[in-house]
Amino acid sequence: AQKITQTQPGMFVQEKEAVTLDCTYDTSDQSYGLFWYKQPSSGEMIFLIYQGSYDEQNATEGRYSLNFQKARKSANLVISASQLGDSAMYFCAMRDSGGYQKVTFGIGTKLQVIP
Amino acid sequence: NAGVTQTPKFRILKIGQSMTLQCTQDMNHNYMYWYRQDPGMGLKLIYYSVGAGITDKGEVPNGYNVSRSTTEDFPLRLELAAPSQTSVYFCAARGAGSEQFFGPGTRLTVL
Repeated sequence: AQKITQTQPGMFVQEKEAVTLDCTYDTSDQSYGLFWYKQPSSGEMIFLIYQGSYDEQNATEGRYSLNFQKARKSANLVISASQLGDSAMYFCAMRDSGGYQKVTFGIGTKLQVIP
Repeated sequence: NAGVTQTPKFRILKIGQSMTLQCTQDMNHNYMYWYRQDPGMGLKLIYYSVGAGITDKGEVPNGYNVSRSTTEDFPLRLELAAPSQTSVYFCAARGAGSEQFFGPGTRLTVL
């Protein structure tokens, strides 16, 4: 069974600083994918970034990068130059290797950006 | 393109009532999913579908039913609503890539 662990219930970061949100995972699959989603207070789920287990380079999308350490089974999200609009819940998730690609979510980290 | 749409946005049910949460996607994606999100928690998979006529249970299917008669629609049926089903329900769709596109959610309260 797959498991995602996010150990930081809440984080604070000063505006314009970088912040790292932690995520560790557990799976026996060789092929899997890791996601980060943002959920602002309005409630929608916004896709941020994706990393495949065979991707050799860390994924980047604008100010978001995924620090993928396969041996340690970690997939931390790094947000550079934080903005007030980054205040939200952030969920780490993992898809399995099956054809249906079911996704397991962590419980989330609440990030608050301080002006 | 509207993406994934869900109706209603909000609903209050009495214990024992039934309702259907609607989900429609216009991306022609084969894979669709229903999740629930309880307060302070991540999403848990209720049911999923890999195409019209094919559905399967996820992690928390009890108390729910689904159908998939078309590619576009994936309704979630609640029979005999219980307070434990108070949650926010998200529908998602996925195409050939790995990313799931989410609808805006339905906030359901069972009193």
